[in-house]
Amino acid sequence: KAGVTQTPRYLIKTRGQQVTLSCSPISGHRSVSWYQQTPGQGLQFLFEYFSETQRNKGNFPGRFSGRQFSNSRSEMNVSTLELGDSALYLCASTSGLAGLGTQYFGPGTRLLVL
Amino acid sequence: EDQVTQSPEALRLQEGESSSLNCSYTVSGLRGLFWYRQDPGKGPEFLFTLYSAGEEKEKERLKATLTKKESFLHITAPKPEDSATYLCAVRGSQGGSEKLVFGKGTKLTVNP
Repeated sequence: KAGVTQTPRYLIKTRGQQVTLSCSPISGHRSVSWYQQTPGQGLQFLFEYFSETQRNKGNFPGRFSGRQFSNSRSEMNVSTLELGDSALYLCASTSGLAGLGTQYFGPGTRLLVL
Repeated sequence: EDQVTQSPEALRLQEGESSSLNCSYTVSGLRGLFWYRQDPGKGPEFLFTLYSAGEEKEKERLKATLTKKESFLHITAPKPEDSATYLCAVRGSQGGSEKLVFGKGTKLTVNP
């Protein structure tokens, strides 16, 4: 089975721009979660989608948003980029019953904001 | 609020020198404690899930244990290829959510 895929793998943007990141979960997985990883804060939960509905959201400003499509693929968007948004953005997918699965992570998208 | 603290932040071992990594947690209604391994520039790789105090799981040179307040990842006779950052995470009782709260990790270096 193919793993979680994320595109693009690397991205350089400037302050004020917006960015869209994509995540394709493992086939059959319906839950997708997004995390931001920085050296100072570690992995922090952004949001979670299940069957096209946002099920949970972390403590991030409204500039961070996401969505999930009917094929379970997910996108996250960051508008009005700030220098502090530079991070590794990780997507994870889960199988099984809601809230009882194991999260399998993709390779991440490394975003650099200049 | 769910919290996870990992110690030490960094650990250097000689090949064959066994040791343990610690993960202390506070969570309301534990629905799983997870261990992941992360290599530089890659996403976390799943290792173990533990659900209740007293549970243990093993995989090759790794053994994870769980008590009501902490988990240990024991590494027996480590090899250089075990060098990585080991992450601990908990899933609390937020109804049906998969949300994980992570510790900041222990960076393990095993010298040949």
